[in-house]
Amino acid sequence: QKEVEQNSGPLSVPEGAIASLNCTYSDRGSQSFFWYRQYSGKSPELIMFIYSNGDKEDGRFTAQLNKASQYVSLLIRDSQPSDSATYLCAVNQARGSTLGRLYFGRGTQLTVWP
Amino acid sequence: NAGVMQNPRHLVRRRGQEARLRCSPMKGHSHVYWYRQLPEEGLKFMVYLQKENIIDESGMPKERFSAEFPKEGPSILRIQQVVRGDSAAYFCASSAGTDPGYTFGSGTRLTVV
Repeated sequence: QKEVEQNSGPLSVPEGAIASLNCTYSDRGSQSFFWYRQYSGKSPELIMFIYSNGDKEDGRFTAQLNKASQYVSLLIRDSQPSDSATYLCAVNQARGSTLGRLYFGRGTQLTVWP
Repeated sequence: NAGVMQNPRHLVRRRGQEARLRCSPMKGHSHVYWYRQLPEEGLKFMVYLQKENIIDESGMPKERFSAEFPKEGPSILRIQQVVRGDSAAYFCASSAGTDPGYTFGSGTRLTVV
């Protein structure tokens, strides 16, 4: 059974702070890692993906991957109230693309208060 | 590009009826996935299809649930003899197979009364 675990939250941070979201996975064969954002009542939206160990930055978002520790994280800098959502971590066995099922965590609910 | 289109957005069925959920993938996408999301839970994989083929149905309940992706037309997720426990949001996603991640549709919220 391939497990993806996320800190359950909810996570609450003030506007302008850094929000840190964490995820661990059980399958060492996982090659691709994704972060989706889901607003209440809406569908998941892909915001970051990472394939290699280290950091990947895109605007205010940074994804971090450590395959040895089977750990992936998402940092949101200068958090805004519009970042308030549930963040879903997902993993896949294909590298460089997405083929087959994604394994999702249960999500971490983030609230950014003004 | 219209994105991944799902319909209906909301569906109410009485116990014992059939539910049909439709999904049209993005143009150029030949891979379709169905996921179910219960309240306060993550996304649970159900089935992965390509045109006229079921690739992975390991997440589908053994009874009452079926899926197809015909050569022409949308993918269909069919739930026969619905029960209250089937009430959930059902999301379809599509990909070209070469892109990172999926694109999700807006979902169908099924309520069984």
